[in-house]
Amino acid sequence: DTGVSQDPRHKITKRGQNVTFRCDPISEHNRLYWYRQTLGQGPEFLTYFQNEAQLEKSRLLSDRFSAERPKGSFSTLEIQRTEQGDSAMYLCASSFFTGATNEKLFFGSGTQLSVL
Amino acid sequence: AQTVTQSQPEMSVQEAETVTLSCTYDTSESDYYLFWYKQPPSRQMILVIRQEAYKQQNATENRFSVNFQKAAKSFSLKISDSQLGDAAMYFCALTSGNTPLVFGKGTRLSVIA
Repeated sequence: DTGVSQDPRHKITKRGQNVTFRCDPISEHNRLYWYRQTLGQGPEFLTYFQNEAQLEKSRLLSDRFSAERPKGSFSTLEIQRTEQGDSAMYLCASSFFTGATNEKLFFGSGTQLSVL
Repeated sequence: AQTVTQSQPEMSVQEAETVTLSCTYDTSESDYYLFWYKQPPSRQMILVIRQEAYKQQNATENRFSVNFQKAAKSFSLKISDSQLGDAAMYFCALTSGNTPLVFGKGTRLSVIA
């Protein structure tokens, strides 16, 4: 399967703990996005990378959140000192950006985070 | 700021019938793209259809078509011959310039056998 894969699919943690999620994009894709989706809402943009460069971060991304994409391949999203409000599904998407604005995003199945 | 509004939290349709999901949007850009994504219980977002704002012709993909009304900033999705597998959350999304996709809150579609 050459789709976008995310690991783990589910994560339960206690408040105050750190968690890290991984996303493996489609291999030839140069852009990678992170979105957060809460119940009853559409996905909200968090950050994105073009190759290894982080190009934009949303105001939603507090200092407790950090994302990396070393070598422009897989990406990790770390949340430090988790809070109950961090409970959500974290979606990763990738695309092959050529300069046009109609790039097609391919999404993973997400990581569901529950903070107790 | 760009916004996308989906005013129908839930819709239902009889199998084989036609249903239309509504979406309105706001952007100050003249060049933008609109999308409909489907999210089944598996949670994976799947692109259903996309429309370039500069094209007057409405996009179609098999049983899926859109009614793009640029002046009204409306972008509705029509599903013809509805099938049980069409049951899912549907999200309308917008991008312009070099901005990430902005999504609406979604419409949950149920298909009744």
